[in-house]
Amino acid sequence: EADIYQTPRYLVIGTGKKITLECSQTMGHDKMYWYQQDPGMELHLIHYSYGVNSTEKGDLSSESTVSRIRTEHFPLTLESARPSHTSQYLCASVSLLPPYEQYFGPGTRLTVT
Amino acid sequence: DQQVKQNSPSLSVQEGRISILNCDYTNSMFDYFLWYKKYPAEGPTFLISISSIKDKNEDGRFTVFLNKSAKHLSLHIVPSQPGDSAVYFCAASNPRGSQGNLIFGKGTKLSVKP
Repeated sequence: EADIYQTPRYLVIGTGKKITLECSQTMGHDKMYWYQQDPGMELHLIHYSYGVNSTEKGDLSSESTVSRIRTEHFPLTLESARPSHTSQYLCASVSLLPPYEQYFGPGTRLTVT
Repeated sequence: DQQVKQNSPSLSVQEGRISILNCDYTNSMFDYFLWYKKYPAEGPTFLISISSIKDKNEDGRFTVFLNKSAKHLSLHIVPSQPGDSAVYFCAASNPRGSQGNLIFGKGTKLSVKP
C-alpha cells in the first residue's frame, strides 16, 4: 500500500490568504508531482520534482510555487489565494521502474471564497 | 491537442454485466498504459497496466486490451459490481518524455446499477 499523505483534506479560505498544502511520502521516491483537477476534468500537471532542490513547472500554468528541501516532503504554496484557485489538488510520487506507476495522495479540496 | 483521449464521459452498466471503457492515443512512442480508478474526494488508485509489447493483461475481474495498430486500448470489468462505480482514467507513459511523467485522459464515469 502506498504511503503518501496530504494535509489538509479540505480547506475553505478567504481571498488573499496565503496557504500551504502539505504532501509527504515514505517510499523514498525521488520524483514527485502536483496535479490540479476540477470535477469532470482531466488531471493537469502543475509542478514536478526530480529530487531534492529540483522543481519544474508542469503543463498547466499555475500561480502556485513548490519546494523540495527533503526527499519525502513536497509542499505547494499559494501566496494569495483567489476564487479561481478553487479545485482539488493531488500529490503523487512515482516508482522509476516500469510501468512507472504513480502513487497518489488523498488530495486537498480547496475552496477560496 | 490531447494525446490520450477517453471519448465517453460516462457509462452506465447493470450489475453483473461487462463494463468496457475505451481509450485512444496518438503517440506511438508510449511504452506503458495504465488505468486508474478515482472516487470523489479521493486520489486516483492504480488498477492495472499494460506494456506496449503486449496485447492483453488480466488481473482478476479486470482485463486491459491493447490494439497498437488502432492506437486503442480498453478496460474490461466483468462482472461489474456497484463498488466499481467511479471515474476511470487512462494514462500513458512516454519514454522520450520525462521519465515517470504520465499523460492522463479526461476520465470516464462508470455507474454500475444494482
